[in-house]
Amino acid sequence: DGGITQSPKYLFRKEGQNVTLSCEQNLNHDAMYWYRQDPGQGLRLIYYSQIVNDFQKGDIAEGYSVSREKKESFPLTVTSAQKNPTAFYLCASSIDRRQRDLYGYTFGSGTRLTVV
Amino acid sequence: DAKTTQPTSMDCAEGRAANLPCNHSTISGNEYVYWYRQIHSQGPQYIIHGLKNNETNEMASLIITEDRKSSTLILPHATLRDTAVYYCIVLSGNTPLVFGKGTRLSVIA
Repeated sequence: DGGITQSPKYLFRKEGQNVTLSCEQNLNHDAMYWYRQDPGQGLRLIYYSQIVNDFQKGDIAEGYSVSREKKESFPLTVTSAQKNPTAFYLCASSIDRRQRDLYGYTFGSGTRLTVV
Repeated sequence: DAKTTQPTSMDCAEGRAANLPCNHSTISGNEYVYWYRQIHSQGPQYIIHGLKNNETNEMASLIITEDRKSSTLILPHATLRDTAVYYCIVLSGNTPLVFGKGTRLSVIA
């Protein structure tokens, strides 16, 4: 079955270390997204990519970096510059922009990052 | 910013219909209304979407007012497993999905 895989489900890192969260999809979707969720809050957009080798900042991109070298992969790096990295991170994908209204987004199951 | 307004929380008795309202008074003619839900510590799950007409699937029904300025998600027979945060989202093809805080639905036995 097609879907989005985020790994690992739980991740622990020491303060000051960079960490990369994995997101892979086999849905042949063009666009991919990273969201962050804090306790009791909605999802906030970090970065998104409409096409391979291109990405745009979302509302809270500071302290994060991404790459989109392959259509099926969109890894997120949480750098030491991110002041409050502990959060629940969600990856999503959608078909191309013109059809997104019709088909919506598919979400992964998330990675819970804890920085100690 | 989210284009929708939802109540912060709602309760529903198990087995009864849960009616979740959403206001989207600034919606444009070509924007869809989407509903997702998020059970604790999981990724959002798609429920239903619509443009103008009412929609029904195996999970829920979506009632959109004629002027499209508001809609209601109906879970016809709520179960304890429907306890979740429900997000009403207006989706425009050119911008990423923007989430508000949603409605926290508690289904009570």
